[in-house]
Amino acid sequence: AQTVTQSQPEMSVQEAETVTLSCTYDTSESDYYLFWYKQPPSRQMILVIRQEAYKQQNATENRFSVNFQKAAKSFSLKISDSQLGDAAMYFCAYRTFLSGNTPLVFGKGTRLSVIA
Amino acid sequence: GAVVSQHPSWVICKSGTSVKIECRSLDFQATTMFWYRQFPKQSLMLMATSNEGSKATYEQGVEKDKFLINHASLTLSTLTVTSAHPEDSSFYICSARTGDPGNTIYFGEGSWLTVV
Repeated sequence: AQTVTQSQPEMSVQEAETVTLSCTYDTSESDYYLFWYKQPPSRQMILVIRQEAYKQQNATENRFSVNFQKAAKSFSLKISDSQLGDAAMYFCAYRTFLSGNTPLVFGKGTRLSVIA
Repeated sequence: GAVVSQHPSWVICKSGTSVKIECRSLDFQATTMFWYRQFPKQSLMLMATSNEGSKATYEQGVEKDKFLINHASLTLSTLTVTSAHPEDSSFYICSARTGDPGNTIYFGEGSWLTVV
């Protein structure tokens, strides 16, 4: 079974600075999807960024980018120019490529605080 | 992104009664929906996978008779907590799989259940 590990329960960053959230995973599959979801205090789960394992190029979405290291099974999220609205829980998630009926496997999350 | 609506956002019920939570995909057909439970300061715990027109697949340890899941149409899945008890109080959140090539999963807003 796949597992996702987020080793940083809490992180903090100064406004306008850059922060990197770590995520590692374990799988025997070669094709899969990786995601970062943001959960603000409202509890709404918001998709931040997605990476297909077969793509070598790291995904980027505006201020959010990932460092995908497939061999190391590492998938870190970098937030540039941090804003107060970035404060939230961030969950790394894995999903198999093979079947559409499989759910996301989540890490335990990292709580990010942004300091003004 | 795709929109998943969950209702109600907040519900308070008396111990021993049943309560229904709805999850709707508003702008796409969702053949598969997932139900999660989230305890305070924890990650999302998968309860069951709901497939349209068939019985839900429950995770180990989740009581099928207590948490009834129905997925009668391609846009609606319901979770009914039967004979609710205070320990069932929690945040419940649904998600739905889109039909895009990446099978992206989007989440509803979640429902807070308080059993008194």
